[in-house]
Amino acid sequence: DIQMTQSPTSLAASVGESVTITCLASEDIYGSLVWYQQKPGKSPQLLIYGATILEDGIPSRFSGSGSDTQYSLKINSLQPEDFASYYCQNGLSTPFTFGSGTKLEIK
Amino acid sequence: QVQLKESGPGLVQPSQTLSLTCTVSGLSLTSNSVSWIRQPPGKGLEWMGVIWSNGGTDYNSAIKSRLSISRDTSKSQVFLKMNSLQTEDTAMYFCARNRYYSALYYFDYWGQGVMVTVSS
Repeated sequence: DIQMTQSPTSLAASVGESVTITCLASEDIYGSLVWYQQKPGKSPQLLIYGATILEDGIPSRFSGSGSDTQYSLKINSLQPEDFASYYCQNGLSTPFTFGSGTKLEIK
Repeated sequence: QVQLKESGPGLVQPSQTLSLTCTVSGLSLTSNSVSWIRQPPGKGLEWMGVIWSNGGTDYNSAIKSRLSISRDTSKSQVFLKMNSLQTEDTAMYFCARNRYYSALYYFDYWGQGVMVTVSS
């Protein structure tokens, strides 16, 4: 199985700042990396797929990058609604493993 | 529009079998795949398994021996059955549509989830 190691586990930042979350796959996943946002009590929401492709309706302050085994999610100019948990997902093959998550909190 | 909705018992006794239903609308199960994903309270997401559009299935090896996913295409329903439940199976259970794009699988529509507590 492909293991997804996500860091940091938690992160505190202020409105207006930029943050980066990273995800390391245990083997090359050829860009098949997906990012989700989850707010408390809600289902996860798709943000980015294919490592860099922004889902329709997602603000452009979200961006993804990476290749092979290393991937990143960057959020520019944090807005109050961005404080949530974020998960990466291996989209290459089953089992579709998730990272352990990053909780983004307001500083 | 595409919608998925989970239903099932909120409480299951240890060692019993969990049965959940995911009712979909706005899509056909003969051309769409659906996964089950769970999330223990305060923890991360775990993919459980998928029923592909052709009716085939794949399961997470960690729970494969206890899990079965099936469907009724005429009713637009996907079913999850998991036996020998233990307290560590307490979680929110989600169904989600598997989307395929250029050798990549991801989940673009999710149900609201159903909370299942395993307790006597």
